[in-house]
Amino acid sequence: GEDVEQSLFLSVREGDSSVINCTYTDSSSTYLYWYKQEPGAGLQLLTYIFSNMDMKQDQRLTVLLNKKDKHLSLRIADTQTGDSAIYFCAEVNNNAGNMLTFGGGTRLMVKP
Amino acid sequence: DTGVSQNPRHKITKRGQNVTFRCDPISEHNRLYWYRQTLGQGPEFLTYFQNEAQLEKSRLLSDRFSAERPKGSFSTLEIQRTEQGDSAMYLCASSFPNYGYTFGSGTRLTVV
Repeated sequence: GEDVEQSLFLSVREGDSSVINCTYTDSSSTYLYWYKQEPGAGLQLLTYIFSNMDMKQDQRLTVLLNKKDKHLSLRIADTQTGDSAIYFCAEVNNNAGNMLTFGGGTRLMVKP
Repeated sequence: DTGVSQNPRHKITKRGQNVTFRCDPISEHNRLYWYRQTLGQGPEFLTYFQNEAQLEKSRLLSDRFSAERPKGSFSTLEIQRTEQGDSAMYLCASSFPNYGYTFGSGTRLTVV
């Protein structure tokens, strides 16, 4: 079955690093995604990682994938107040038209 | 092309009424997806189309929900005999196969 889990809340100070964690269950997922959602808005694709990679870096974002443990993390370096939002990880089901299964989201609060 | 467009942005309806939402995908994308997001949760997959063919609809929440994509371009999602539990954000996304989605800003439905 598909189940993606995330912690509910993370609070950091501006300038610190944030690490948001996610566990997933579908080992056949070829891609795993991180989306950002600001209040009242749709979902913005932040980054993704292919399942045969361990790490991907994109400016302030670093994604780590531990496929053995089915654990995904998103690190945001030098976190800014504009990074305050809800972050969702998602796994893709390649057998169902690339349907995405989302976690419940982690609310990141950045304090000045 | 400015991305995925959803209309209306907000809809308030009385219980028992029918509602229809529209999604205009990115024109080159042949896949179109509908998701529902309730407060405090991640998006939940409803259905998807490849061109005009609806390839997965078993996750539509009940037989009151239906979707169409008559010419393989825009899509509509209809909810008949709305209930208060249908209140949610309805998100549309489009993509090429094996590429990441682009989400629209969503239609927020409130059933009173």
